[in-house]
Amino acid sequence: GAVVSQHPSRVICKSGTSVKIECRSLDFQATTMFWYRQFPKKSLMLMATSNEGSKATYEQGVEKDKFLINHASLTLSTLTVTSAHPEDSSFYICSAQTHQETQYFGPGTRLLVL
Amino acid sequence: KQEVTQIPAALSVPEGENLVLNCSFTDSAIYNLQWFRQDPGKGLTSLLLIQSSQREQTSGRLNASLDKSSGRSTLYIAASQPGDSATYLCAVPGNTPLVFGKGTRLSVIA
Repeated sequence: GAVVSQHPSRVICKSGTSVKIECRSLDFQATTMFWYRQFPKKSLMLMATSNEGSKATYEQGVEKDKFLINHASLTLSTLTVTSAHPEDSSFYICSAQTHQETQYFGPGTRLLVL
Repeated sequence: KQEVTQIPAALSVPEGENLVLNCSFTDSAIYNLQWFRQDPGKGLTSLLLIQSSQREQTSGRLNASLDKSSGRSTLYIAASQPGDSATYLCAVPGNTPLVFGKGTRLSVIA
């Protein structure tokens, strides 16, 4: 089946620094990738939709200048959390969509901002 | 706006028991429903995908049913095992690509 990877799987950073998370579709091309965030005991919430070669579409309440998304190729999307704060600590999951509109999820990245 | 509710929020059962997890959604105009499993600190694993034209899907000890008209889906787990312990999420397409419930946290005790 289709595989999506995320790197890193876990990251701890100091407040004020930036963190980049990569999402890769390993064996298929994904024109669309999605970024989700999950706070403890909460539902997975969509942050943004990333389309290859164009600007990402952000959900209401998600700061586009804080969460920079780049979808430079059909197999790679990156999420950069800029000037991270402790409240950004969360579990970030990406998914990649096939041309049949089936989503495959990455393993997630746990971010802890101290 | 699509909303997904899952009950119970948590469930603890002894090994070997059959169990049912419930999912309800407010907008019945969906074209599919998915059940996922999430292990602590891990990403999602897709368990079953039911198309709107189907009433149920089976995979091993898992059986998921879908009743669009009533806005409900159930996930039936037969002969539960400690390895089934995880959070189970259901999700439907909505005004965002997928709308998730908060999940049911299952603990199967040996």
